[in-house]
Amino acid sequence: GENVEQHPSTLSVQEGDSAVIKCTYSDSASNYFPWYKQELGKRPQLIIDIRSNVGEKKDQRIAVTLNKTAKHFSLHITETQPEDSAVYFCAAPFVSGNQFYFGTGTSLTVIP
Amino acid sequence: NAGVMQNPRHLVRRRGQEARLRCSPMKGHSHVYWYRQLPEEGLKFMVYLQKENIIDESGMPKERFSAEFPKEGPSILRIQQVVRGDSAAYFCASSPNQRTGELFFGEGSRLTVL
Repeated sequence: GENVEQHPSTLSVQEGDSAVIKCTYSDSASNYFPWYKQELGKRPQLIIDIRSNVGEKKDQRIAVTLNKTAKHFSLHITETQPEDSAVYFCAAPFVSGNQFYFGTGTSLTVIP
Repeated sequence: NAGVMQNPRHLVRRRGQEARLRCSPMKGHSHVYWYRQLPEEGLKFMVYLQKENIIDESGMPKERFSAEFPKEGPSILRIQQVVRGDSAAYFCASSPNQRTGELFFGEGSRLTVL
């Protein structure tokens, strides 16, 4: 099955600094890579996604980059704010099967 | 367009009882996924269903757990003879398109087994 690895598991940054979270996947046929943000006690919510026909996508302070050759994709948050503190999950579909695999999550803390 | 609706939001059961968790997908979505999340852990896939069909249940324990998505009504995740290890948040997500579509999550059902 698909194997999605996510690093780091915890990340602390000063307010205003950038944060980068990386994920690798194993199914070379995967073609859709979303990132979800989950605040404490809440549901995961999509913040950005990228499809395999592009290498980068930006939405204000958030960007995702994809390297299909190396099979990894990264979430970049610039000018971090305290409200960015949450757990972030990457995901990748297992195209040969029927599952949507999630990474193990990164707990981001933005220190004011 | 209402989002994914899950109920109950919180459920307390004693060991040996049954737990039934319900999920109504977003309007127009025919793909439903169930995930389990233990405290401070990730989302673990359990089962993927379409209307009246279980497509993939490879993540679901073979005993005590079952899921359905009938032609009418919500998807139901059923846990029989619950044990303390079943205590977790159970999230349902729906999608309009298998594999390449965004998953829309419900608020989750938090099961506590005493």
